[in-house]
Parts: sequence; structure tokens; C-alpha cells
Amino acid sequence: DSGVTQTPKHLITATGQRVTLRCSPRSGDLSVYWYQQSLDQGLQFLIQYYNGEERAKGNILERFSAQQFPDLHSELNLSSLELGDSALYFCASRPSGLAGANEQFFGPGTRLTVL
Amino acid sequence: DQQVKQNSPSLSVQEGRISILNCDYTNSMFDYFLWYKKYPAEGPTFLISISSIKDKNEDGRFTVFLNKSAKHLSLHIVPSQPGDSAVYFCAASSGAGGTSYGKLTFGQGTILTVHP
Repeated sequence: DSGVTQTPKHLITATGQRVTLRCSPRSGDLSVYWYQQSLDQGLQFLIQYYNGEERAKGNILERFSAQQFPDLHSELNLSSLELGDSALYFCASRPSGLAGANEQFFGPGTRLTVL
Repeated sequence: DQQVKQNSPSLSVQEGRISILNCDYTNSMFDYFLWYKKYPAEGPTFLISISSIKDKNEDGRFTVFLNKSAKHLSLHIVPSQPGDSAVYFCAASSGAGGTSYGKLTFGQGTILTVHP
């Protein structure tokens, strides 16, 4: 158990719909990262938050957005869903104060299926 | 543009022998490297890491070697056990020295099967 929690574990929805994925980082971790794992693309970085502020964006579609709340949990919002958005979505957190290191600890993921 | 590559999709090893998983990278700005293990339907589990200022890091049965001139790293598992069977990902990042690190760039993974 990494200490990172994600809900829901599975999500099945239809094209055009909107969903919200939730992540709670490990206690005390200020950084949250979102990754997408699809069959053909592997694990791809989407977006990073640090203590409530967006720090970096990767290959995140405009239909996707995220935020990190004052209690440090994060939500990833996916809208106007397409079949190709079906994937595993992982959240990771990084311990604070890790000078010179970048271990990120991953949650169990949310499997999104768009029908 | 795949900056981190694991060229072997799969590796099969006998229990008790050494498993060697390989990873190549192209971005010379990478300064921190990690190996993760992943079971189906679970998140990646951190195994071991290495900073670019080192060439070797050891943790129990796991050793990571870094050859910066060749832009190559490898994970050695000795002795291999059936429970080690999983997908192994190497990952890299840049930005050593800051307090808020950036993204991990992952390889495509290698499926390791350890036979009893």
C-alpha cells in the first residue's frame, strides 16, 4: 500500500459525458502528479500540482482539467469523453523535502471505460 | 519521440538466476532514474532509484547501474524469484536540486517472467 488513494476504482460511462477522478496523496506530500496509461501510449504524464498550484503540464487535452484543493487532495476532470479516453489514470505523490530525489508513489489507479 | 526506451518487451528467467533489465535514454538533461514494478490492475510500485551523480545503487536483491556516457541503465535482480514476475518500467526525470520535481518519463515496460 503506497498510501495514495484513488476513487473510484472503475468507471464506465458513455461518449460525451463528464467524469471526475479523485486522488488523496500520502500524508504530508505536497506534490500530486496525474498519469494516463493507455494500451498504445504507455504511461504518460498529464499534469502536476504542488501545494495547490499547477506546476507543469504534459500531454493533457483541453477537455481535461485538474485542481488541487487546500487539503491537498486532487481531482482530474475529463469532459466530452471519447472512446480513446478509455485508459488507466494514475495519481502519484512525492514526499516533501526529498532533496536530490524524485521518488513518486502511485495510487491503485482508476480504470475508465468509455462506451 | 521516445526519450526512454526499454527495447526488450519480455524476459524469461529461471528461479535463482539473475534477471537483467535494460533501459536507454536520449535526453541528457535527465538526472534521476527510477525502476518501478507493476502488476496488472495495480499502480506502479517504486523499487529503486539512482541519481546521475552515482553509477550504482543497491537495495537487497536489486541493483541499478547507470552508464551516463552510454545513456544506459540496467536493473539486476539476484536471485530472481517467481514473485518478481511483473512488468518493470524504468523512468527518468530532470531537475535535481529543486524541491518540486517534474514529471517522470517512462519506458514502455518489460514483462519479466521468473519460472520455478
